[in-house]
Amino acid sequence: QQQVKQSPQSLIVQKGGISIINCAYENTAFDYFPWYQQFPGKGPALLIAIRPDVSEKKEGRFTISFNKSAKQFSLHIMDSQPGDSATYFCAARYAGNTGKLIFGQGTTLQVKP
Amino acid sequence: SQTIHQWPATLVQPVGSPLSLECTVEGTSNPNLYWYRQAAGRGLQLLFYSVGIGQISSEVPQNLSASRPQDRQFILSSKKLLLSDSGFYLCAWSVPRQGFTYGYTFGSGTRLTVV
Repeated sequence: QQQVKQSPQSLIVQKGGISIINCAYENTAFDYFPWYQQFPGKGPALLIAIRPDVSEKKEGRFTISFNKSAKQFSLHIMDSQPGDSATYFCAARYAGNTGKLIFGQGTTLQVKP
Repeated sequence: SQTIHQWPATLVQPVGSPLSLECTVEGTSNPNLYWYRQAAGRGLQLLFYSVGIGQISSEVPQNLSASRPQDRQFILSSKKLLLSDSGFYLCAWSVPRQGFTYGYTFGSGTRLTVV
C-alpha cells in the first residue's frame, strides 16, 4: 500500500521555467512533509519542508503548497536552472518519537539549457 | 555539528555471501537511526529503524536484519545475499525530542551489487 503518491515520474523543463511536482498522502497521522533532492550516486538532501498547519512555505526559488483537506502538497521550482536537474522526493513523517519517513516514488527533473 | 558516516561506498558480492554495512553518527546522542533501500529508478523503502540500543523495528520482512550494538552505530546484515538485495542502501538519523523528531539526515549511501 503506497501511502505517498508522487507525480509525474519524470519532468523536462526549459531553463527559466517553472517545475511542479505533486504528492498526495493517505494517512492523517503524518505531521511533517519534507522534500528531498538527490543527485546521482548521492544520498538525498533536505530541500524544504512544511508542517500541516501552514498552507505555503517559500525558500528562495522553492515553494511548497499544502492542501490539508485534499491531502495534497506540491513543490514549485521557479526559474528552473540546469543545476536543479536531479531526482526529487516528497515524504511524509509519522507523528511521534519514531520519526519514520515515508517517501514518494520520486520525480526525475531535467532542466534544459 | 552532526555527521553521519556510511561505508563502504560500493560493494560487489556474490549470491549467497554474507553482508555487513555499517553506519555511525557523530555529534549527537540517542538518535533515531534508519536503514533505507533504493532500487534502481525507484523510491526509498524504509527497511529498519531503531529508537535505542538493541531496539530494532522491521518494516519489510526480507532477507536482511539490523542491529544497534552502540548508541550511534547501526549495522545492516544478511547471512546469504540474494540477487534481489541489490540496490542503494542509505542510513539516516533524526533526533527525538518532546514527542517530535528533528533533523533527518542521510548518509552518502552504499551501492550494493549482488552477482
